[in-house]
Amino acid sequence: AQSVAQPEDQVNVAEGNPLTVKCTYSVSGNPYLFWYVQYPNRGLQFLLKYITGDNLVKGSYGFEAEFNKSQTSFHLKKPSALVSDSALYFCAVLGNTGKLIFGQGTTLQVKP
Amino acid sequence: EAGVTQSPTHLIKTRGQQATLRCSPISGHTSVYWYQQALGLGLQFLLWYDEGEERNRGNFPPRFSGRQFPNYSSELNVNALELEDSALYLCASSRDGTGRGETQYFGPGTRLLVL
Repeated sequence: AQSVAQPEDQVNVAEGNPLTVKCTYSVSGNPYLFWYVQYPNRGLQFLLKYITGDNLVKGSYGFEAEFNKSQTSFHLKKPSALVSDSALYFCAVLGNTGKLIFGQGTTLQVKP
Repeated sequence: EAGVTQSPTHLIKTRGQQATLRCSPISGHTSVYWYQQALGLGLQFLLWYDEGEERNRGNFPPRFSGRQFPNYSSELNVNALELEDSALYLCASSRDGTGRGETQYFGPGTRLLVL
């Protein structure tokens, strides 16, 4: 069965410091991996995805993610965090027949 | 380019009633997906429509149903509402449903409260 895990419920980082939000996956075959962000009382905003090719994927708002096949991970990163990055982040894998399978979500708190 | 739109933004119903939620996809997108985000349960896949046909449904009872119209907009119906149906219902659309890693773009959601 395909699954995604986000091992941290919350990540705290100081503004200006680098941030990492962790994600591991379990799929058979080649994975299609996504990161979304959700601000309070809002829908999900697409940040980036990995389909194939370069293991380092660049996305919106300065975010990037590194695909690591041997560790089955797809961690989200940003070199310098902003207070406005504080939100709920979801990692997802595109499963069979169209559905996105989401991790539990990680709350990112960036403090000034 | 307009994003995915959903209506209404909020909906309050009582137990046993029916709720109808609507979604308009991004222009040019043919696939529409519905997800439920309930407190403590995370994001769960409900339904997928493509070219007017139901392609897949998640592990939800039959009282959750929907359809896709010729203009690719979609409707989610929830019959015989139960308290645990209270959730944020998110609609997403993608260019197609070929499974080639197409991005699903989400709307702002409809928050359903069942009293």
